[in-house]
Amino acid sequence: DSGVTQTPKHLITATGQRVTLRCSPRSGDLSVYWYQQSLDQGLQFLIQYYNGEERAKGNILERFSAQQFPDLHSELNLSSLELGDSALYFCASSVGGGAEQYFGPGTRLTVT
Amino acid sequence: GENVEQHPSTLSVQEGDSAVIKCTYSDSASNYFPWYKQELGKRPQLIIDIRSNVGEKKDQRIAVTLNKTAKHFSLHITETQPEDSAVYFCAARQGGGATNKLIFGTGTLLAVQP
Repeated sequence: DSGVTQTPKHLITATGQRVTLRCSPRSGDLSVYWYQQSLDQGLQFLIQYYNGEERAKGNILERFSAQQFPDLHSELNLSSLELGDSALYFCASSVGGGAEQYFGPGTRLTVT
Repeated sequence: GENVEQHPSTLSVQEGDSAVIKCTYSDSASNYFPWYKQELGKRPQLIIDIRSNVGEKKDQRIAVTLNKTAKHFSLHITETQPEDSAVYFCAARQGGGATNKLIFGTGTLLAVQP
């Protein structure tokens, strides 16, 4: 157990819908990262937040957005969902920006 | 941007043999290289990492080597066991300061045959 928690574990929804994935970092960690893992794309970095501020952005679609709250938990919002958005979404956290990243258990999103 | 290539994509070894997985990166500014192990349906787990000021690091049966000049790094697992079977990902860090973007390789499926 890494200490990073994610909810929900599984999510099944229809195309066009909007979902919110939630992540709580390890106690004391200021940075939160979101990754998407699909069979054809591997592990793709989406976005990093550090102490409430966006720090780095990857290949995150405009339909996706994220934020980190004052209590340091983070949410990833996915809207206008498409079949291709079906994937495992991982959250990771680290103490600072240059430290080891620890992954949560992931949320498996299925878009039908 | 950074690009990380990983080889081989699959690797089958006999229990007790050694396994080597290799990665190359493109951004010479990258300074941190972690390795993750992912079992089926589970989260990626950090198993070892190396920073650019070090050439080699070892932790029991696992070692990582880094060649900054050639921009490649490798994972070495000795005396492999069936529980080492998993997908292994290398990564390179892009960014500096509080920016910590990891670019992952495409993964290596390691199968250790008993």
